[in-house]
Amino acid sequence: KAGVTQTPRYLIKTRGQQVTLSCSPISGHRSVSWYQQTPGQGLQFLFEYFSETQRNKGNFPGRFSGRQFSNSRSEMNVSTLELGDSALYLCASSPLRGSGNTIYFGEGSWLTVV
Amino acid sequence: AQRVTQPEKLLSAFKGAPVELKCNYSYSGSPELFWYVQYSRQRLQLLLRHISRESIKGFTADLNKGETSFHLKKPFAQEEDSAMYYCALSYQGGSEKLVFGKGTKLTVNP
Repeated sequence: KAGVTQTPRYLIKTRGQQVTLSCSPISGHRSVSWYQQTPGQGLQFLFEYFSETQRNKGNFPGRFSGRQFSNSRSEMNVSTLELGDSALYLCASSPLRGSGNTIYFGEGSWLTVV
Repeated sequence: AQRVTQPEKLLSAFKGAPVELKCNYSYSGSPELFWYVQYSRQRLQLLLRHISRESIKGFTADLNKGETSFHLKKPFAQEEDSAMYYCALSYQGGSEKLVFGKGTKLTVNP
């Protein structure tokens, strides 16, 4: 079974640009969540999607958005990039919603904003 | 606000020695606690969760609600245990939202 796949793995953007990151969950998984990882703040929850609906949102500005498609694939978008958005963005999937499930993480997308 | 604290950024041990990675949390309700591990060049993966009360790779962790702690222990550390360890808390039933600690880098020397 293929794991959580994230694309692109590495990208460099200029301040002010926007970026879209993609996540393909494990086959059959319907819940997708996103995290930002930085050296200073560690791992921080961005959002959670289930059945194409955002179920939960972390404490991030409105420049951060996401969506989930009918095949459970998810994308997140960051508009008007700032230097501080440089981070590893992790996607995770689980079969259903619920804290009893095991969450599986992808390898992440490394974003550098210059 | 819910918070997870891992007081040690770095922890070193010798092979065969016991190790304990500390984790304290702040949440007034009944959280679910996890330990995640990230080995070098690998993705973040679940090590164990408190509701399972299981031992994985020789590691155990007991939830102490009185001390709001969930320390990770292993009686005899191995070199392959060297990794980054994250303690995490889930407090919203039906949600995948996790609050992570900043992590502890464990190095086990031969």
